[in-house]
Amino acid sequence: DVQMTQSPSSLSASVGDRVTITCRATQGISNYLAWYQQKPGKVPKLVIYDATTLQSGVPSRFSGSGSGTDFTLTISSLQPEDVATYYCQKYNSAPWTFGQGTRVEIK
Amino acid sequence: QAQLVQSGGGVVQPGRSLRLSCAASGFSLSGYAMHWVRQAPGKGLEWVAVISYDGSRQYYADYVKGRFTISRDNSKNTLFLQMNSLGADDTAVFYCARGWSFWGGFDIWGQGTVVIVSS
Repeated sequence: DVQMTQSPSSLSASVGDRVTITCRATQGISNYLAWYQQKPGKVPKLVIYDATTLQSGVPSRFSGSGSGTDFTLTISSLQPEDVATYYCQKYNSAPWTFGQGTRVEIK
Repeated sequence: QAQLVQSGGGVVQPGRSLRLSCAASGFSLSGYAMHWVRQAPGKGLEWVAVISYDGSRQYYADYVKGRFTISRDNSKNTLFLQMNSLGADDTAVFYCARGWSFWGGFDIWGQGTVVIVSS
C-alpha cells in the first residue's frame, strides 16, 4: 500500500506568517490528493482537492501544489482561526490513506 | 443543506457487535460512494471502508477486513457499518463521509459517533 508522510508533525507560527506543510507519497498518485482541516473537537473539513483546487468557501490564503509524490499545503498568512490539525489523503486507489497529521498552533 | 446524521455508537464489551448508521438529508445517497473513517482518542484519521453508489463494490482496511461490513439502503438514504468481534483497539470516533466520486475524497462528513470497547 502507498504510505503518506507529512512533515512537520507540528509547527508553531505567528499570526501573518506563511506556513507550509508537506506530504509525500511512497508511490506516485498523480494529483489524487486532498487536504483536510480538523479543528480541536470538530469534524474534518475539506480544504483542497485534486492537489490544487480550493474547496468552495475556503479562504484564498490556503493553496495546494504538487503532483506525483510530493505535495504542499500553504497558508499564506496564518490567522488565529487556522489553528487545527491538517491531514493529507490519497484517493487514487484503495486504501484511501491519510497522512499522520500536522498540528498548527499560534506562537 | 446536505448533511449526514449518525447514530448507533456506545459502549460495548470486547468481542461483541455494534451497528452504526448514517442518514443523509438534503441529497440522495444513491448518487455517491460512501466511506467510514475512524479516529482513536488523540490519534489521526484512519480510513475504514468504502461502498460504491449502488453497493456493488466494497473495500476495507486490512485491520477490519472480515470483522466489519459496510452496507447501504438507498431507499432509506442510509449507510451502515456492522462491526463484529470488537476489540479495545476499535475504540474511536467513527465518521461517515460522502465521496464525490468513487475515486475521490470526502466532501461531507457526519458529526461522528463514539464507540468505546470496554469490559
